[in-house]
Amino acid sequence: AQKITQTQPGMFVQEKEAVTLDCTYDTSDPSYGLFWYKQPSSGEMIFLIYQGSYDQQNATEGRYSLNFQKARKSANLVISASQLGDSAMYFCAMRGDNNNDMRFGAGTRLTVKP
Amino acid sequence: DAGITQSPRYKITETGRQVTLMCHQTWSHSYMFWYRQDLGHGLRLIYYSAAADITDKGEVPDGYVVSRSKTENFPLTLESATRSQTSVYFCASSGSVGLRNQPQHFGDGTRLSIL
Repeated sequence: AQKITQTQPGMFVQEKEAVTLDCTYDTSDPSYGLFWYKQPSSGEMIFLIYQGSYDQQNATEGRYSLNFQKARKSANLVISASQLGDSAMYFCAMRGDNNNDMRFGAGTRLTVKP
Repeated sequence: DAGITQSPRYKITETGRQVTLMCHQTWSHSYMFWYRQDLGHGLRLIYYSAAADITDKGEVPDGYVVSRSKTENFPLTLESATRSQTSVYFCASSGSVGLRNQPQHFGDGTRLSIL
């Protein structure tokens, strides 16, 4: 069975600083995809970044990067130069080749301080 | 506009009533999903569908019914609503090619309150 763990219920970061949101996972699938979503207070789920288990390089999308450590089964999201608009819930998720669904972690609430 | 739309956005009903949440997508995605979001649980999968007329249970299917007669629609029905089904419901869709690297795209959610 797949499992996603986000151990940080809440995080604070100063505006313009970088922040890392932790995500660890467990799966028996030989290949899988890891995803991060942002949920602002308005409630919608916004896809941020994807990392494939066989990708050689860490994924980057603008100010978002994914620190993927396969041996440690971790896929941490790094947000550089935090902005006030980054304040939101962030969810880590995983989808394997042998699973039709996507499993989500419980989420981390990020607050960016001015 | 193309995308995935859910209706209604907000719904209040009483225990024992039947309620249907609608989901419509314009991407022709083969996969569609229903999740519920509760505090402390993240998103939990209720049902999903790999194609029209193909549906399967997720993590928390009890008390829910789905159908998918057309690719673009995936309604979720609570046949006899209970207070424990008060939640925010999200519909999502994704393509099927290279399944593991397909992100799911979400609707804006339906906030359902059962009194």
